[in-house]
Order: sequence, then structure tokens, then C-alpha cells
Amino acid sequence: AQSVTQLGSHVSVSEGALVLLRCNYSSSVPPYLFWYVQYPNQGLQLLLKYTSAATLVKGINGFEAEFKKSETSFHLTKPSAHMSDAAEYFCAVSVAGSARQLTFGSGTQLTVLP
Amino acid sequence: KAGVTQTPRYLIKTRGQQVTLSCSPISGHRSVSWYQQTPGQGLQFLFEYFSETQRNKGNFPGRFSGRQFSNSRSEMNVSTLELGDSALYLCASSWNQNPNTEAFFGQGTRLTVV
Repeated sequence: AQSVTQLGSHVSVSEGALVLLRCNYSSSVPPYLFWYVQYPNQGLQLLLKYTSAATLVKGINGFEAEFKKSETSFHLTKPSAHMSDAAEYFCAVSVAGSARQLTFGSGTQLTVLP
Repeated sequence: KAGVTQTPRYLIKTRGQQVTLSCSPISGHRSVSWYQQTPGQGLQFLFEYFSETQRNKGNFPGRFSGRQFSNSRSEMNVSTLELGDSALYLCASSWNQNPNTEAFFGQGTRLTVV
């Protein structure tokens, strides 16, 4: 079975600072990895996904993530935080044979300080 | 193009009652998945339907059931509600069953059991 661990349930950064949200996965087969963002009282919006093509994936709103197989990681970064980035972020994994089942991490609440 | 629509957005039910939630996927999408989101357990997969057939099911009791209609709309039902069923229920649609395909989420139905 696959699993995802997100280190840090709460992360605070200053506006303009680097955003780094950590995600480590466990899977016995090649994974597909996703980052989603959730704003209060909203559903999930896809930021980016890794599907075995390029290891450095660029997403929406200036976010990117790098797949590192040796470290089983898929950390999310953004060079300069904006107030509008404050939200909860979820890393998720799916694998071939699991149909459309996504396994989510526990989420990281990002706070952006003025 | 309309997004995933979930109705109702908010629901209050009494313990022991049953409830039906509805999800209309994006036009052309044939896969519909359901997730339960709670502060304690996070995001957990309930089940997935494709072409009116349940293809995958998470680890939930039989009180949780669902179905999909020929137009791909889906409903989920929870019988004999318990206080612990209070959660945000999210529906996601995809155009196929490939695990690397993006899932588009609705805004969710907030169920409160009293």
C-alpha cells in the first residue's frame, strides 16, 4: 500500500520569503504524485502533478516540486510567498492498479505573515 | 465549462437518520470518486465509480454506499448516521480511470450530525 507523510502541520513564512512544504511518499511501485491546495470552505485545487516525465514539475501560481526517487520526496516550493498563498496544502499519491484512489497526506497549513 | 457541483452545500441531520449527497461531474467525465474529510482522520477515500460500476472502495462500514447514473452523476448515501460521520464530503471527477489523470474536486457538502 502507498502512503504520504507531510512534515510540519503548520508552516509560517513572511511575505516574499521562500515557501517549502515537505512531502515524503512510500510506494512499492512507481508513484504518481500530486499537490493540492484547499482554501477555507472550498474543495481541492490541483497545483501540480508528477507522472514520470520530468522530475521538476512546474504548477500554477508559481509553485514547483521536484521528484527525488532516492529520497522518496516530492517537496513543494515557491520562491516568494504572497498573502494569497495562505491555505492548506495536501500531497497525494496514486499508483497503477489503484484506479482513481488518491492517498493524501495529513496536510500543511501555510500562514503568510505581512 | 461548469465544474464539479455538489448539493447540498450544508446539511444538518440527527443521529440515526440517513442522508443522500449528490455530485454532478464535469461534462464528459466518467469517473467519480468520493472522499471524507475530518480534522482527526484527514482526507480518506470512500469509493470510486466508473461507467455506473463501483471500481474501488475504501475502508468504511457498509452504512456508506453510493451509486452512479448513466449520465455519470453520482450519489452517496449514509444510513444510520453517527456523530462521527460529521465531515466535509468531497466529490472528484476525472475523464478516465488512469491514476495519473487529474481529479477535479467539488466544493463539498458539509454534513453535521447532531
